[in-house]
Amino acid sequence: DARVTQTPRHKVTEMGQEVTMRCQPILGHNTVFWYRQTMMQGLELLAYFRNRAPLDDSGMPKDRFSAEMPDATLATLKIQPSEPRDSAVYFCASGLALLRGEAFFGQGTRLTVV
Amino acid sequence: GQQLNQSPQSMFIQEGEDVSMNCTSSSIFNTWLWYKQDPGEGPVLLIALYKAGELTSNGRLTAQFGITRKDSFLNISASIPSDVGIYFCAGGIIQGAQKLVFGQGTRLTINP
Repeated sequence: DARVTQTPRHKVTEMGQEVTMRCQPILGHNTVFWYRQTMMQGLELLAYFRNRAPLDDSGMPKDRFSAEMPDATLATLKIQPSEPRDSAVYFCASGLALLRGEAFFGQGTRLTVV
Repeated sequence: GQQLNQSPQSMFIQEGEDVSMNCTSSSIFNTWLWYKQDPGEGPVLLIALYKAGELTSNGRLTAQFGITRKDSFLNISASIPSDVGIYFCAGGIIQGAQKLVFGQGTRLTINP
């Protein structure tokens, strides 16, 4: 059945290293969201795309985070350089813009920066 | 920015009891969604609401979109062990595409 696929599921990296997280949205969905989940802040919206164009990335620390959609089947979230405070679960979600509004989530990437 | 207040933060109930949780906001939303998250998984959509006053059911779950468009509630009737998890409300606003703002979650624990 259709689902959002995220890779890797888990990532442990050293501070200062580059981290790239990947997401394959549900086929046919034209909106992609990146969320970060922590115990303290809950689910925070980092960025979202419609038809591969970034609509809002105001939730992202601009100096180290970047989000792109090289094509309709791939969204990436990159952190460079990573810091311990970036440790969190990062979720990708996809949906159909302006139609019903539901977002369907992947299983997340658990990132630990040591 | 928009914020949602979700309550209660946690609930401890006996199997078979009914559950009620709600979300309120100072902002108007044009969509309210309710999600459930199990450990190690992403949130899964339970119910979506699109009109003020709308009442929608999904099995033992019932949710309502408040008349003022600033609140929503979720009820679970006759709870069972698999209802354990964290429930999130999300309010949707249109900014180019549907942007969702999430509540802090309600953690539900059920004693058998």
